[in-house]
Amino acid sequence: DTEVTQTPKHLVMGMTNKKSLKCEQHMGHRAMYWYKQKAKKPPELMFVYSYEKLSINESVPSRFSPECPNSSLLNLHLHALQPEDSALYLCASSQVRLAGSYEQYFGPGTRLTVT
Amino acid sequence: GESVGLHLPTLSVQEGDNSIINCAYSNSASDYFIWYKQESGKGPQFIIDIRSNMDKRQGQRVTVLLNKTVKHLSLQIAATQPGDSAVYFCARAGNMLTFGGGTRLMVKP
Repeated sequence: DTEVTQTPKHLVMGMTNKKSLKCEQHMGHRAMYWYKQKAKKPPELMFVYSYEKLSINESVPSRFSPECPNSSLLNLHLHALQPEDSALYLCASSQVRLAGSYEQYFGPGTRLTVT
Repeated sequence: GESVGLHLPTLSVQEGDNSIINCAYSNSASDYFIWYKQESGKGPQFIIDIRSNMDKRQGQRVTVLLNKTVKHLSLQIAATQPGDSAVYFCARAGNMLTFGGGTRLMVKP
């Protein structure tokens, strides 16, 4: 199984809503990532989890809250988002190594629209 | 600082022709590079990678060339097919992935 799954596929939420994005992989990868991708732009790294611990936060606003409940799951909790947060949110996973990154496997993304 | 960039935002080729997508980088601290393909509505998909101790690597219909002297990377797709239409990103794999800006490949029938 070389698949990363993400739910939901599409999400529309108001600025006062609380919602969560979910990501799952069963490849035994111990590194998981959240990226944000705006239209016609490359993915931008948000968070990295390594062995279920947050290792990188790329200065992401606190209205985005990641969680890694176990080695297969990664969540992104959303609260009080702004319209400019509308984007494709991608999850990825990879093996962990001490120096440099292995190939990352990406999920299909959640298309988020904030109204 | 490190950066990865692409030369052209859009490339249009005739079906059956070869495609060449270019990428430049500004720092050689990382030990390898990856090309990703992203189709509409999907996440990036790994195509091929190359380590900095190599100049060339071939896959099925794809070849990546790495010129460390001029810090240039290219992806060559042989006999381009309609299914190759997508956005292609080069990425440097260091402590994290650093993506280039992306090139949209359009294949004309």
